[in-house]
Amino acid sequence: KQEVTQIPAALSVPEGENLVLNCSFTDSAIYNLQWFRQDPGKGLTSLLLIQSSQREQTSGRLNASLDKSSGRSTLYIAASQPGDSATYLCAVYNNNDMRFGAGTRLTVKP
Amino acid sequence: DAGVIQSPRHEVTEMGQEVTLRCKPISGHNSLFWYRQTMMRGLELLIYFNNNVPIDDSGMPEDRFSAKMPNASFSTLKIQPSEPRDSAVYFCASSFQGAYEQYFGPGTRLTVT
Repeated sequence: KQEVTQIPAALSVPEGENLVLNCSFTDSAIYNLQWFRQDPGKGLTSLLLIQSSQREQTSGRLNASLDKSSGRSTLYIAASQPGDSATYLCAVYNNNDMRFGAGTRLTVKP
Repeated sequence: DAGVIQSPRHEVTEMGQEVTLRCKPISGHNSLFWYRQTMMRGLELLIYFNNNVPIDDSGMPEDRFSAKMPNASFSTLKIQPSEPRDSAVYFCASSFQGAYEQYFGPGTRLTVT
């Protein structure tokens, strides 16, 4: 059964820092991995989707990488801003099943 | 496009009552997912439809939960009878196909007293 782990559970950084969020999964047989952002009391916003055949995806200040063989993905946020404060979740999709990590709560201090 | 639409946004009901949550997926998407989010268990997939047909309902917690998708633009999640432990935020998501990017609705916050 697929298990998804996100480390750290919470992270606080000063504005302008570059940071990395980690996601690991136990079953490397995945179709894709998706990173989401969730603001308090809100739904999930898709940030990046990496197909199993891809190594990374980039969108603006965000870069997500995928290493299927080691069961790991990272989300890199460059030049963090207070508006980046939210919970970031990764999810892996395989065999009609989507498994989420518990998320990393990010706080970017002005 | 208005995105995935869910209603109601908030629902407060008493134990034993029937609850119906509604979802309208993004037009053109043929896959629809229902999720539940709680502090204790995080986000869990309840059921997945493809072309209006339930593909995997192994995440549905009990027989009290049922979901339907009568057409490509509408789905319901019903809980009957509801219990306090069903209190959670229920999300609906849709995608072009199951393995493609999923787009989430704003969620329905359910409180069962």
